[in-house]
Amino acid sequence: QSVLTQPPSASGTPGQTVTISCSGSRSNIGGNYVYWYQQFPGTAPKLLIYRIFKRPSGVPDRFSGSKSGTSASLAISGLRSEDEANYYCATWDDSLSGPVFGGGTKLTVL
Amino acid sequence: QVQLQESGPGLVKPSQTLSLTCSVSGGSISSGDHYWSWIRQPPGKGLEWLGYIYYSGTSNYNPSLKSRVTISADSSKNQISLNLTSVTAADTAVYYCASFCSSNNCYPNAFDLWGPGTLVIVSS
Repeated sequence: QSVLTQPPSASGTPGQTVTISCSGSRSNIGGNYVYWYQQFPGTAPKLLIYRIFKRPSGVPDRFSGSKSGTSASLAISGLRSEDEANYYCATWDDSLSGPVFGGGTKLTVL
Repeated sequence: QVQLQESGPGLVKPSQTLSLTCSVSGGSISSGDHYWSWIRQPPGKGLEWLGYIYYSGTSNYNPSLKSRVTISADSSKNQISLNLTSVTAADTAVYYCASFCSSNNCYPNAFDLWGPGTLVIVSS
């Protein structure tokens, strides 16, 4: 069971905006930055968002992150078929003194 | 650019020790910009951080696995190693080597580079 809670699945049609949530506690999301990773089947995860809302170079601005209290969200606007992947949130956990991940959300583009 | 590549046995017997190596190319593990980590992913499941090591030897492990995990660094070979003892079927997973950025020269506190991963099956 993951420290951070994500919905197992999400879906949307092309062009829509989809939001994926990530819930934690004061010892992790509540006091630390949040990161998001995108993973296609059979490949390694790729950094998508760092420090809550910042995008590494090459990541489209259709991807955005936010945080409020002990929860965080990833929004994908202008949904495209190539966005179909698994998305994982991550942060530091002060109680565990290490990074923790969410269980992942499988995004389906209908 | 920096690339990571995991290697090691794809099959390990129960109760034995799982040993993997991560070779780093295009950069030095002693650069000081990263902690070098191991993360695993059981088939069809999520990601689990196992631990990391800094070039100086400072290390940190997931408390749930701390008694079984050892991560080491060999600067002369530019390699990171993972040892996981007393394995069971629950340790079957894809094991990733990943760099955890520790400076402002990369993406701070993010796993910014990953190897392709290697599948390890624990079975007799």
